[in-house]
Amino acid sequence: SQQGEEDPQALSIQEGENATMNCSYKTSINNLQWYRQNSGRGLVHLILIRSNEREKHSGRLRVTLDTSKKSSSLLITASRAADTASYFCATPGDDYKLSFGAGTTVTVRA
Amino acid sequence: KAGVTQTPRYLIKTRGQQVTLSCSPISGHRSVSWYQQTPGQGLQFLFEYFSETQRNKGNFPGRFSGRQFSNSRSEMNVSTLELGDSALYLCASTTGTGHSPLHFGNGTRLTVT
Repeated sequence: SQQGEEDPQALSIQEGENATMNCSYKTSINNLQWYRQNSGRGLVHLILIRSNEREKHSGRLRVTLDTSKKSSSLLITASRAADTASYFCATPGDDYKLSFGAGTTVTVRA
Repeated sequence: KAGVTQTPRYLIKTRGQQVTLSCSPISGHRSVSWYQQTPGQGLQFLFEYFSETQRNKGNFPGRFSGRQFSNSRSEMNVSTLELGDSALYLCASTTGTGHSPLHFGNGTRLTVT
């Protein structure tokens, strides 16, 4: 079963715009991770935010975490065509198991 | 460092056959996890190995098995293939301590006909 659920399922934006996607999860966590997957490829780790952190930045990425609402958001600023991909949130569940959400597919139009 | 390497990249098999997929983790990583990715079910956890021991297993039938060798390389095997086993199989490695991020290979695309 999936721990995290992303919203929206799909997003289409113009190059240069910002893209925001959300992740909700069910149980307590000690960290939440975001990954990107380009079509037909493996996942690439983007950012990890710990449960005692509220916000984290990495380049054009900004992640927030609200443990009281069991939710996280990923913001990509000034999007580029290369940002076209699927984005997944992931939470550590049972020992050594990372559970992934269904993902948000982002399309950046030139 | 070289990334996670999965072989083969593509595979076509017939129902009833068996298949073995291989994964070489990043040097120094002792944990290897396997995931199945399908359009309908998303990313589903198969199992995780650390120092040749399976530490966790997902909800898959016994036809799915794996192992890890002393050099941390891992293989997974699927016997008596079914059409529903068609998927992208992803391997990921990590140090295995704490909840460090996973490093994924590009997967093996298995098609069962």
